[in-house]
Amino acid sequence: GAVVSQHPSRVICKSGTSVKIECRSLDFQATTMFWYRQFPKKSLMLMATSNEGSKATYEQGVEKDKFLINHASLTLSTLTVTSAHPEDSSFYICSASRDRSFAEAFFGQGTRLTVV
Amino acid sequence: GENVEQHPSTLSVQEGDSAVIKCTYSDSASNYFPWYKQELGKRPQLIIDIRSNVGEKKDQRIAVTLNKTAKHFSLHITETQPEDSAVYFCAASLNTGTASKLTFGTGTRLQVTL
Repeated sequence: GAVVSQHPSRVICKSGTSVKIECRSLDFQATTMFWYRQFPKKSLMLMATSNEGSKATYEQGVEKDKFLINHASLTLSTLTVTSAHPEDSSFYICSASRDRSFAEAFFGQGTRLTVV
Repeated sequence: GENVEQHPSTLSVQEGDSAVIKCTYSDSASNYFPWYKQELGKRPQLIIDIRSNVGEKKDQRIAVTLNKTAKHFSLHITETQPEDSAVYFCAASLNTGTASKLTFGTGTRLQVTL
């Protein structure tokens, strides 16, 4: 199968600081990756679609200046939570598909962000 | 956009019994329907999926059925075991050949009791 690795798995940061989360496809190239946010006991909510070499596409209601996405290579997408606040505390998880015609999504292990 | 509803939100069954989780979707163009199992604090794991050109798919104790006309699909787990306890999410996706954006259901917490 395909492996998606996400780092870090847990991070605690102070209010006002920024946190970068990495999502890597280890054994395949991903032109598109997706970033989700999951609150406790809730579903996964799509935040944005990360496109290699171009700007990310954000879902309605997601602040693009707050959640910066960079997809600089075919195996790496990063999500930076800028000026984090306690309400940004959540489980962030990325996914990628092996190729454009193959719909199965492979998920990273997720990042639990706690802003204190 | 796509909207996926999932029922029930919680389901408790005795070991050995069957469990059924149902989902409906709104966009008739959706053509891919995966089911994910997620344990606490872990990543979602694909357990079975079905494409719109198929009405039913089975993999050992797990089966999925799809009714395109009614726009609903269901997950069936037979002979449930304690390790089946987890949260299950259905999803719907439109694969256009460029990317597949998944819309998830709200999840079902399955508890298999001894």
